[in-house]
Amino acid sequence: QVQLQESGPGLVKPSQNLALTCTVSGGSVSRGDYYWSWIRQPPGKGLEWIGYISHTGTTYYSPPRETPMAISMDTSKNEVYLRLTSVTVADTAVYYCARGAYSGSGVFAGWGFDLWGQGTLMTVSS
Amino acid sequence: ETVLTQSPGTLSLSPGETATLSCRASRSVSSTFLAWYQQKPGQAPRLLIYGASSRATGIPDRFSGSGSGTDFTLTISRLEPEDFAMYYCQQYSSSLVSFGPGTKVDLK
Repeated sequence: QVQLQESGPGLVKPSQNLALTCTVSGGSVSRGDYYWSWIRQPPGKGLEWIGYISHTGTTYYSPPRETPMAISMDTSKNEVYLRLTSVTVADTAVYYCARGAYSGSGVFAGWGFDLWGQGTLMTVSS
Repeated sequence: ETVLTQSPGTLSLSPGETATLSCRASRSVSSTFLAWYQQKPGQAPRLLIYGASSRATGIPDRFSGSGSGTDFTLTISRLEPEDFAMYYCQQYSSSLVSFGPGTKVDLK
């Protein structure tokens, strides 16, 4: 059973750089037609897709944001990373790791985020 | 970028009633790439519907999805107490993903 677990520093100061980690257990990040995604949710607000990395290492991101972000993975550790550069208070959010995948087959097939981690809260404050 | 709009923002209903949630896209979306999620406070979202109308594993049949093109609907029949939550639609096209702003189904 594949599980996702996010981890991060929790509290950071404005202008710092940081990395969040998504550890994938029970499966390989480099196998299957999966898109390992980062999605965030500011307090009391909706879901914001940040971007994803495919099992081949190809990345796609949402339209440019104020804070530069980059997604990468380490197949030897089975981990996916989100790096944020020079964060601001607007980056305060719960950050989720999720797996984008096809479900079903034939005419009933569809794509969605079928697995999610529990999320990690990142607070940016001086 | 495809923008998703959800309506209403809040739906106040009683257990046993039917909830009808709307998701409208700024451009046509393939049904294959339209999904719905449920999120309860303090929890990660859960996939309910993929491919616009197929229920994910373990989702009760009181949840149903329909629609095509730019207009999609999530229907929750016979609301149970555990169904009061936030619901988001999501699309994937041209290698990009977007979520709608959500509809809150709360207790009347």
